[in-house]
Amino acid sequence: GIQVEQSPPDLILQEGANSTLRCNFSDSVNNLQWFHQNPWGQLINLFYIPSGTKQNGRLSATTVATERYSLLYISSSQTTDSGVYFCAVSQGGSEKLVFGKGTKLTVNP
Amino acid sequence: KAGVTQTPRYLIKTRGQQVTLSCSPISGHRSVSWYQQTPGQGLQFLFEYFSETQRNKGNFPGRFSGRQFSNSRSEMNVSTLELGDSALYLCASSRTGGGSPLHFGNGTRLTVT
Repeated sequence: GIQVEQSPPDLILQEGANSTLRCNFSDSVNNLQWFHQNPWGQLINLFYIPSGTKQNGRLSATTVATERYSLLYISSSQTTDSGVYFCAVSQGGSEKLVFGKGTKLTVNP
Repeated sequence: KAGVTQTPRYLIKTRGQQVTLSCSPISGHRSVSWYQQTPGQGLQFLFEYFSETQRNKGNFPGRFSGRQFSNSRSEMNVSTLELGDSALYLCASSRTGGGSPLHFGNGTRLTVT
């Protein structure tokens, strides 16, 4: 099956810093989503981005489907950005998402 | 608009028992999927339902089953519980399934003793 690799596995930042999280996938996909899981376990959808670039406030994402990777940019990080960021993909138009292992982000004040 | 609602939030069961978890999707969403999250295996797909039909099933034993009702609400059942079934069970809904953003509920944390 399709493999999803996220890097880095852990990231520690000071408040106000910028960061880039990467997601590589092993095969073509038609569904790619980024999620943030907060320390209370809630999983929030950040982007549905099978291709192209999207921005939402301090967050933006880019997916280059032909090269099989996606990037999540976080600018001017805040302590509330802490948590685990997951990339998830699927093929064939299904909701059977395959998740990466996540990037654990810690933002210190 | 209300989000995805899962009940109960916490559950403690004994090995060998069975459990039923409930999920109410966002209004207007017809696709409901279930995921299991554990520290060792991460997030794993269980099944997906669309208009009361199971469209996909993950690689889990037959003890795990689910269904979707005509109002899109969904339940999943785990029979003959094992210690390894302890996990956070997450339900998610989307408008169309596969081609739209997935929205998760807060999950049910199941502990099997």
